[in-house]
Amino acid sequence: DVKVTQSSRYLVKRTGEKVFLECVQDMDHENMFWYRQDPGLGLRLIYFSYDVKMKEKGDIPEGYSVSREKKERFSLILESASTNQTSMYLCASTSGRYEQYFGPGTRLTVT
Amino acid sequence: QQQVKQSPQSLIVQKGGISIINCAYENTAFDYFPWYQQFPGKGPALLIAIRPDVSEKKEGRFTISFNKSAKQFSLHIMDSQPGDSATYFCAASHNAGNNRKLIWGLGTSLAVNP
Repeated sequence: DVKVTQSSRYLVKRTGEKVFLECVQDMDHENMFWYRQDPGLGLRLIYFSYDVKMKEKGDIPEGYSVSREKKERFSLILESASTNQTSMYLCASTSGRYEQYFGPGTRLTVT
Repeated sequence: QQQVKQSPQSLIVQKGGISIINCAYENTAFDYFPWYQQFPGKGPALLIAIRPDVSEKKEGRFTISFNKSAKQFSLHIMDSQPGDSATYFCAASHNAGNNRKLIWGLGTSLAVNP
């Protein structure tokens, strides 16, 4: 079974803090994605990576950066957290363009 | 601009009834259409998917109907059960430019009353 794990299920941070969200997959997938999920807005792609050290912006990259130093690990970084970044963050991985395997999500609250 | 339009936003069905969720798309280059199911507190998981060379695909109680000329596809859940209560997302993908992304609908929250 493919397993995608995320470092935290719940996270509370203060405005202005630097926040790291980590995602690890165990299936040697080339492609990894970070989404945020908000009620009524569906899944919005923040960044994705198709190889180690490679990244591409998604639809809403502003305020975020990513790092992929190892194939199995994809990190999302909020350089200076703001209240409008309070959301559910979902990581996914895939070997091609078909089935994406999702982690359980991290619910981030920025106060 | 929403490339995949999903409706309804929410749906309430009685146990044993049929749940129908619809999606429409504009990009004729799309060639893969999956549906994902998400339970509260979990990430989405692939439920069923279809390619445009067939008009219907069935897996158990779940069926995708695909209408290429109308650029629409729908998910039918037969004999809906309370355990089917979840959020459902349609999506679409194309192969141009070695694309790896899915384009998502906004989701439908389904509640099946016992």
